[in-house]
Amino acid sequence: ETGVTQTPRHLVMGMTNKKSLKCEQHLGHNAMYWYKQSAKKPLELMFVYNFKEQTENNSVPSRFSPECPNSSHLFLHLHTLQPEDSALYLCASSQDRTLSTTNEKLFFGSGTQLSVL
Amino acid sequence: SQKIEQNSEALNIQEGKTATLTCNYTNYSPAYLQWYRQDPGRGPVFLLLIRENEKEKRKERLKVTFDTTLKQSLFHITASQPADSATYLCALGGSQGNLIFGKGTKLSVKP
Repeated sequence: ETGVTQTPRHLVMGMTNKKSLKCEQHLGHNAMYWYKQSAKKPLELMFVYNFKEQTENNSVPSRFSPECPNSSHLFLHLHTLQPEDSALYLCASSQDRTLSTTNEKLFFGSGTQLSVL
Repeated sequence: SQKIEQNSEALNIQEGKTATLTCNYTNYSPAYLQWYRQDPGRGPVFLLLIRENEKEKRKERLKVTFDTTLKQSLFHITASQPADSATYLCALGGSQGNLIFGKGTKLSVKP
C-alpha cells in the first residue's frame, strides 16, 4: 500500500462518454501528478498540481481536464476521448513540487486501465 | 532532445545470479537519478535515488552506480530471486524538477 488510491481500477468507455478518474493520497503530500503510461512507451507527465494550484500542463489535449479541490484529492475528467487515449493512467504524489531538492520521490497509485472503444 | 535508453526491453536470468540493468542518457545533465520497480497492474514503487556527486548507492541486495562521464547508471540485484521479477524503470531528475522516465526493462528470474 503506497498511500495513494485510485478509482476505478478499470474503465471502458465509448468515444462520446464522459467519465472521471479519482485519486486520493493519505501521505500529507502537497504535490500531485497525472501520468499516462502506454505500452512500450515511457511514463508521460500530463499535469502537476502543487498546493492545489496547477503548475504544469504538458500540452495535454483539452479532452482531458484535471481538477484538484484540495491537496489530498485529484481528478481527471474525460470526455470525447479517442481510441489512442487507451492507456494506464497513474496518479502520484510527492512532498512538494520542488523535485530539485534531490530527496523527492514519487508515490504512485495502482492506476486506472482505460480502454476507449 | 533528451533521451533515456534502458539497455533492453527484457532480461532473463537464473535464480541466484546477479542481474545488471543499464540506463543510458544523452543531451541531459541530471542532478540525480532514481530507480523504480513496477509489477503488472500496479504503479511504480521507488527503490533508490543517487545524486550526481555520488558514485554508488546500496540498499540490501540492490546497488546503483552513476557515471556522469559515461552518462550511465547501472542497477544491480545480487542473489536474484523469482520475486525480483518485475519491470524496472530509471528516471532522471534535473534542476527544473521534472522526472524523465525510461521505458523500463522487464526482468524475469527463473528458478
